[in-house]
Amino acid sequence: QQQVKQSPQSLIVQKGGISIINCAYENTAFDYFPWYQQFPGKGPALLIAIRPDVSEKKEGRFTISFNKSAKQFSLHIMDSQPGDSATYFCAASRAGGGNKLTFGTGTQLKVEL
Amino acid sequence: ETGVTQSPTHLIKTRGQQVTLRCSSQSGHNTVSWYQQALGQGPQFIFQYYREEENGRGNFPPRFSGLQFPNYSSELNVNALELDDSALYLCASSPDRVGSPLHFGNGTRLTVT
Repeated sequence: QQQVKQSPQSLIVQKGGISIINCAYENTAFDYFPWYQQFPGKGPALLIAIRPDVSEKKEGRFTISFNKSAKQFSLHIMDSQPGDSATYFCAASRAGGGNKLTFGTGTQLKVEL
Repeated sequence: ETGVTQSPTHLIKTRGQQVTLRCSSQSGHNTVSWYQQALGQGPQFIFQYYREEENGRGNFPPRFSGLQFPNYSSELNVNALELDDSALYLCASSPDRVGSPLHFGNGTRLTVT
């Protein structure tokens, strides 16, 4: 059972544009929602994370928007750069679940010049 | 500060064989998790170790086993390898067993022929 659904599967954005990746979850016990960035041949790297007590978190060009009632959250990359080209994964974990993360299936982002 | 290191980086095994993958956790981290990432998919949680004891397990059969040592390094052992075990195996460490962000290594690429 896929508990975190991610879309789109792939995304092409022009340099300077906004990249938007969406995730939806089913388990209402989830209380921690990180986004990871993965380059080819590398492990995932934590980008930004949010907890459900806030609706938005911004770090530099990266923003998470969180809608608890809709059980959805999204990643916005402002002023997208070619160096942002990577695969992005949303994830979720629940209180009492240790650090076990349930990942989405990933979005391959390409930022073109 | 040394990050999470994994060895070997690549490995080729034959179906039915056994394999051991190794992970050194980041300095100061006492919790290690292992994930399996099939090609084009998000990482799947295998299990987590905290202070040398298994502290949570995903939907993987018993032929997937692990160890954590007093220095918090870890091993993942897989017996009776199957073709579907071909994947990138990721180790992640965290400073505590709950509520801590995961720091991933670059993984071991296992190919089973």
